[in-house]
Amino acid sequence: DTAVSQTPKYLVTQMGNDKSIKCEQNLGHDTMYWYKQDSKKFLKIMFSYNNKELIINETVPNRFSPKSPDKAHLNLHINSLELGDSAVYFCASSQDGRHYGYTFGSGTRLTVV
Amino acid sequence: DAKTTQPNSMESNEEEPVHLPCNHSTISGTDYIHWYRQLPSQGPEYVIHGLTSNVNNRMASLAIAEDRKSSTLILHRATLRDAAVYYCILRGGSSNTGKLIFGQGTTLQVKP
Repeated sequence: DTAVSQTPKYLVTQMGNDKSIKCEQNLGHDTMYWYKQDSKKFLKIMFSYNNKELIINETVPNRFSPKSPDKAHLNLHINSLELGDSAVYFCASSQDGRHYGYTFGSGTRLTVV
Repeated sequence: DAKTTQPNSMESNEEEPVHLPCNHSTISGTDYIHWYRQLPSQGPEYVIHGLTSNVNNRMASLAIAEDRKSSTLILHRATLRDAAVYYCILRGGSSNTGKLIFGQGTTLQVKP
């Protein structure tokens, strides 16, 4: 069983389209995250949800909107895709508490053409 | 958020121990030291974490300096599969859900 699963694994789309990436965790964790890894390989946190409530919202364009229907799912919807949105997006989850580690998904490679 | 400093890259020979250093001179008393690694084309993977005492698990050991301003991740016997980017991160924050902030990490090359 995959602990944190993301779909799709690859996504190629044209500029201006709207797309969604889905994430599910079966670990019973309370908190879920979205990270973006750009071409320079830097990992940046975008959002975090704790029990369906948004708790971290970094400086991300409004075109990005996370949605958490329940604590096991955190989806990322992106409107009006731009070339600069091309990156690998990672979902992660963790228990509350500084002494818990994160479990990451395998990533979604988004290419905007 | 407290920052960490790591060498950009390190090399090791297969089956030899590897010591990956990390400096975190501004660490606060409640920050946990976490290590993650990212293998090529994969998501980051949790390796180990600690607060004050040295820690061991099946993947690695974590040696924490007495003043907590530095730590060392120890891979006891490097294999080719250990070639990855290793990130040293402080997890703290005012809430229990303190975020992980990734730096540039150390790219470890393992030579056969």
